[in-house]
Amino acid sequence: EADIYQTPRYLVIGTGKKITLECSQTMGHDKMYWYQQDPGMELHLIHYSYGVNSTEKGDLSSESTVSRIRTEHFPLTLESARPSHTSQYLCASSESGEQYFGPGTRLTVT
Amino acid sequence: KNQVEQSPQSLIILEGKNCTLQCNYTVSPFSNLRWYKQDTGRGPVSLTIMTFSENTKSNGRYTATLDADTKQSSLHITASQLSDSASYICVVSDRGSTLGRLYFGRGTQLTVWP
Repeated sequence: EADIYQTPRYLVIGTGKKITLECSQTMGHDKMYWYQQDPGMELHLIHYSYGVNSTEKGDLSSESTVSRIRTEHFPLTLESARPSHTSQYLCASSESGEQYFGPGTRLTVT
Repeated sequence: KNQVEQSPQSLIILEGKNCTLQCNYTVSPFSNLRWYKQDTGRGPVSLTIMTFSENTKSNGRYTATLDADTKQSSLHITASQLSDSASYICVVSDRGSTLGRLYFGRGTQLTVWP
């Protein structure tokens, strides 16, 4: 099993709140990713990073932002949560092409 | 447009039976194809990965096939177990970028009944 962790696993929060989803990996991988997944739908890439101080937006437009100050840490922040942000957020890291996924954070915005 | 289509969308089988899941893709240029298993509420876990030159790959009771000419892949599960209940996702990677962009299917939701 890959050493990639996400917290919290579940989060229910009210509209307008600021939230940060944490993602950490202990494998020393340079590349990290954030995906958004709705039930029964495919994963959509929303952010990725090639390494420290490198962040890029993915295919799916997202109001979230990310930072990569340390290799092992890739947090995702929503400044003002809305019900449309309700989804599952999956973090992944990769080396040599193989991506390893974290367990995900199920976010519900009420 | 690069796409990955999976069928069936959902499948119910009895424990001990075999099943085959299908994946068609249009991703080009093709790099590799992976099958992932995603348990409910968890992240996907890789089952197999195949490059252009490989046409079959096994991982225990899971056997994946790839026809790069017709751009089709299948995942065959033998002697199904209750723990096989999960979503099986076909993922195709292109080699057109250094990112190694992944294209995900929507998955086949497999339910194994006792």
